Amino acid sequence: EVQLQQSGAELVKPGASVKLSCKTSGYTFSNYYMSWLKQMPGQNIEWIGNIYGGNGGTGYNQKFKGKATLTVDKSSSTAYMDLSSLTSEDSAVYFCARPGLGTGWFAYWGQGTLVTVSS
Amino acid sequence: DIQMTQSPSLLSASVGDRVTINCKASQNINKYLNWYQQKLGEAPKLLIYNTNNLQTGIPSRFSGSGSGTDYTLTISSLQPEDFGTYFCFQHNSWPLTFGSGTKLEIK
Repeated sequence: EVQLQQSGAELVKPGASVKLSCKTSGYTFSNYYMSWLKQMPGQNIEWIGNIYGGNGGTGYNQKFKGKATLTVDKSSSTAYMDLSSLTSEDSAVYFCARPGLGTGWFAYWGQGTLVTVSS
Repeated sequence: DIQMTQSPSLLSASVGDRVTINCKASQNINKYLNWYQQKLGEAPKLLIYNTNNLQTGIPSRFSGSGSGTDYTLTISSLQPEDFGTYFCFQHNSWPLTFGSGTKLEIK
């Protein structure tokens, strides 16, 4: 069974950085992309970017370049997202999501990580 | 960026009703359109991929149609568990974008 387990909620101060994790199981990590998405409270979902588990190759939504940095650790089948220079606009739930086999984007999702930026 | 406009934004319907949710793209997305259902506090769930393909495990009362810029999600006979917010999503071109959502309430 494919599982994506995300790290716990974060309370961070403005200007700080935070690193979120998405630990996977149930499939060969290096064979799939992992995507990260942002959802502010009561708001639309935004795609942040993708990273390939095999070689770490990335693609970003231009809006999040400089804000988010995606990395992977193949040895632990874990994807990471660093968010830098946090402001209140970064307060949101962040999801990791993986394509399905033949179904394309976002067939499997993590449970989400709530990031709250507050002094 | 491709803008995805959903309508209606709020929908109230009764069990057994036929429900349709519309999604209009700002340009042709070549049927690269998915539908997701999200319940409060949960991650979205994939219902339909590439316009009209039912994801495994999703009830057959859900169906999708459309082409070009106009797409529709239909629930043939609404069930109590179908409440939630529905999002369309285009993966024809980057950046990948979602509609703003349709909140479906059960009367």
